[in-house]
Amino acid sequence: GAGVSQSPSNKVTEKGKDVELRCDPISGHTALYWYRQSLGQGLEFLIYFQGNSAPDKSGLPSDRFSAERTGGSVSTLTIQRTQQEDSAVYLCASSLRTGRQETQYFGPGTRLLVL
Amino acid sequence: DQQVKQNSPSLSVQEGRISILNCDYTNSMFDYFLWYKKYPAEGPTFLISISSIKDKNEDGRFTVFLNKSAKHLSLHIVPSQPGDSAVYFCAASRGGGSQGNLIFGKGTKLSVKP
Repeated sequence: GAGVSQSPSNKVTEKGKDVELRCDPISGHTALYWYRQSLGQGLEFLIYFQGNSAPDKSGLPSDRFSAERTGGSVSTLTIQRTQQEDSAVYLCASSLRTGRQETQYFGPGTRLLVL
Repeated sequence: DQQVKQNSPSLSVQEGRISILNCDYTNSMFDYFLWYKKYPAEGPTFLISISSIKDKNEDGRFTVFLNKSAKHLSLHIVPSQPGDSAVYFCAASRGGGSQGNLIFGKGTKLSVKP
């Protein structure tokens, strides 16, 4: 398919373990965004990439969260020493370019449950 | 502090009637607004957008209205169809940068009954 894909679709982990979430953007899209949606909440912006660089990391909730993007394509979001409050749906989106009038296309999300 | 608010968590409408979903925002720097639709177990899908230089944008059955003085926008769906049943998110973006990260409301769950 030509859409944004994310893996795994579901992840259950124990508190204190590290998890890695993957996003494959639409081919040719230079901008990539990570959001999360906690239960009953809207989508919360985490970080964005323009190419391989992340100019603004201020949306990451704590230093346990990190993200990288290689080759201008795949991105991974890593959560170290997971906590129960990290349980959420993590959504990735990509757009052709950054810019507020660029349509962002979302993947199906990774549902993370921290026990 | 929530900058984008959708005060109605749910809305139920009869098929064929109009659905009106509302959204309020607090940040006067927002100058671009979007509506996304989300089905269960899927990511949000872009529906329609409006720039702050306009007060109305129409696309088929969907129309978005923007009232800047009231910091309010609304999405009208007419006529509503059962397939429109989904969660609708309002989102806003700030001007002055090329970043494009979106600020989302909590969503309104629309149920269209046959």
